[in-house]
Amino acid sequence: AQKVTQAQTEISVVEKEDVTLDCVYETRDTTYYLFWYKQPPSGELVFLIRRNSFDEQNEISGRYSWNFQKSTSSFNFTITASQVVDSAVYFCALSGTPWGNEKLTFGTGTRLTIIP
Amino acid sequence: EAQVTQNPRYLITVTGKKLTVTCSQNMNHEYMSWYRQDPGLGLRQIYYSMNVEVTDKGDVPEGYKVSRKEKRNFPLILESPSPNQTSLYFCASSLYGDEQFFGPGTRLTVL
Repeated sequence: AQKVTQAQTEISVVEKEDVTLDCVYETRDTTYYLFWYKQPPSGELVFLIRRNSFDEQNEISGRYSWNFQKSTSSFNFTITASQVVDSAVYFCALSGTPWGNEKLTFGTGTRLTIIP
Repeated sequence: EAQVTQNPRYLITVTGKKLTVTCSQNMNHEYMSWYRQDPGLGLRQIYYSMNVEVTDKGDVPEGYKVSRKEKRNFPLILESPSPNQTSLYFCASSLYGDEQFFGPGTRLTVL
């Protein structure tokens, strides 16, 4: 069975601080995909990144970066120089091998509040 | 514009009154899925469909039905809604091996 754990339920930081959201996953699949989604107060789910299990390179996109470590089954997300617009709930998710039920197993989310 | 649409976006209903939440995608995706989001539980899969006329249960299918008569549409049916089905519902679609596109969500309240 697959499982995603986001141990941080809520985080508050002052604007311009850096913040890291933790994600730990469990799966028996050798091929899998990891995702991060953002859910702003308006409620929609915004796709941020997709990573496959064979690509452990860290990724940077503007102020966002992701650190994937298979050795610790973690896929952490860092926001640098946070802004008020980053306030949202962030979900980490996992899916197994494609061409089947591509169910996303979600973590319970981390609510991030950026204080101006 | 490539998108997944859901209707209605908000719905308040009463126990036992059948309802349908529609989901439509214009990207010719084979795979479609329904999730519900509840506080403290994240999103959980209700049903999924791998193609027309091919559907199967997800993790929390009780009290729901789906159909996939056309590739673009994947309605979610609550035959006899109950208060524990009050939730935020998301439809998603994808090509296999690709990212899932989510609809805007339907907030359902069952009184």
